[in-house]
Amino acid sequence: EDQVTQSPEALRLQEGESSSLNCSYTVSGLRGLFWYRQDPGKGPEFLFTLYSAGEEKEKERLKATLTKKESFLHITAPKPEDSATYLCAVLIQGAQKLVFGQGTRLTINP
Amino acid sequence: DSGVTQTPKHLITATGQRVTLRCSPRSGDLSVYWYQQSLDQGLQFLIQYYNGEERAKGNILERFSAQQFPDLHSELNLSSLELGDSALYFCASSVGTYTGELFFGEGSRLTVL
Repeated sequence: EDQVTQSPEALRLQEGESSSLNCSYTVSGLRGLFWYRQDPGKGPEFLFTLYSAGEEKEKERLKATLTKKESFLHITAPKPEDSATYLCAVLIQGAQKLVFGQGTRLTINP
Repeated sequence: DSGVTQTPKHLITATGQRVTLRCSPRSGDLSVYWYQQSLDQGLQFLIQYYNGEERAKGNILERFSAQQFPDLHSELNLSSLELGDSALYFCASSVGTYTGELFFGEGSRLTVL
């Protein structure tokens, strides 16, 4: 069964304290891996697309990387406004559906 | 603002009732997706339409149905509502049909009492 697992479930950091979020996947065939940010009471907001192992994408304090079995979202020197739930999703080859992980709830304390 | 509009934002109803959620996709997007998000289940894919035709189906209950109209807006109909149907229902849209780059609306929060 296709599965996406994110860890940790929740992470609390101090402002400026860098860390990484993990997304591991078990799928029959990966078409692409996607990161989203979701603020409370809002819809997910698309951040990055990764297609192949070794690929990296960056946006401000966020950098996403991909290996054959997992993806990392690295956050460098985070600010309180980076607090959100970060969702990882995979698009499975041959199936027109996006499978989401449960998310990591990130809190950045000032 | 993603450009995807969902109405209503909040809805409270009773068990056994029927509701309709509406979604207008971003201008130019032909695909519309419906997702359900609850605390214990996360974001679950329900159904996708592309230019009026059903393209993919997820774990959508038989009590739920959807359609996409010629003007590309979509409606999700939920009937014989149960307490467990209480959730956030999101609509998303995309230009193409086989992509993970979706633009989500702000959701419709359904509470079934």
